[in-house]
Amino acid sequence: EAQVTQNPRYLITVTGKKLTVTCSQNMNHEYMSWYRQDPGLGLRQIYYSMNVEVTDKGDVPEGYKVSRKEKRNFPLILESPSPNQTSLYFCASSFRDRGPYNSPLHFGNGTRLTVT
Amino acid sequence: DAKTTQPTSMDCAEGRAANLPCNHSTISGNEYVYWYRQIHSQGPQYIIHGLKNNETNEMASLIITEDRKSSTLILPHATLRDTAVYYCIVRPRDDKIIFGKGTRLHILP
Repeated sequence: EAQVTQNPRYLITVTGKKLTVTCSQNMNHEYMSWYRQDPGLGLRQIYYSMNVEVTDKGDVPEGYKVSRKEKRNFPLILESPSPNQTSLYFCASSFRDRGPYNSPLHFGNGTRLTVT
Repeated sequence: DAKTTQPTSMDCAEGRAANLPCNHSTISGNEYVYWYRQIHSQGPQYIIHGLKNNETNEMASLIITEDRKSSTLILPHATLRDTAVYYCIVRPRDDKIIFGKGTRLHILP
């Protein structure tokens, strides 16, 4: 089944303890992206990647790192989490077209992170 | 980056057509309009997309104005299960995809 898999679904941690949220897709998509969602603020893009070893900042990259060593994986790393990173996180992926950008995003089921 | 503007919320009676508007006045010639919806806190779900022609699939219809500066998503016979937040986005060439806050659609029984 074609899907984007995020782990874990729920995570409670303490300030300063490094964590990684994993994202994996099995659709051979070039493009992958991370979003965070907070009440009243909608979905905000953190980082995105257009292919292996290519990553770019979104609108809210501060406090996050990503890597794209393999096409299928795009982990989100919080080196020193803080309470303001408590949020619902989504990973998404899609194909990239060189012509019209007509490939829809596929989203994971989300990771609810709480930093105390 | 082409951004979109949507109403914050809308109501629609069950069984009626729900028409959700979106403005994207800065859209470029080859950028597609996409619609997604998010039910509760699940991952957003793709609904439909289009470039300049009207589109229809099993979920919805998409009407894009001739100047491409706005579009309307139509759910022909809304049900309670269509209660969700609906996002209209334009996918730019640089792939910095901005979702915004969407429209919260309430289907009234």
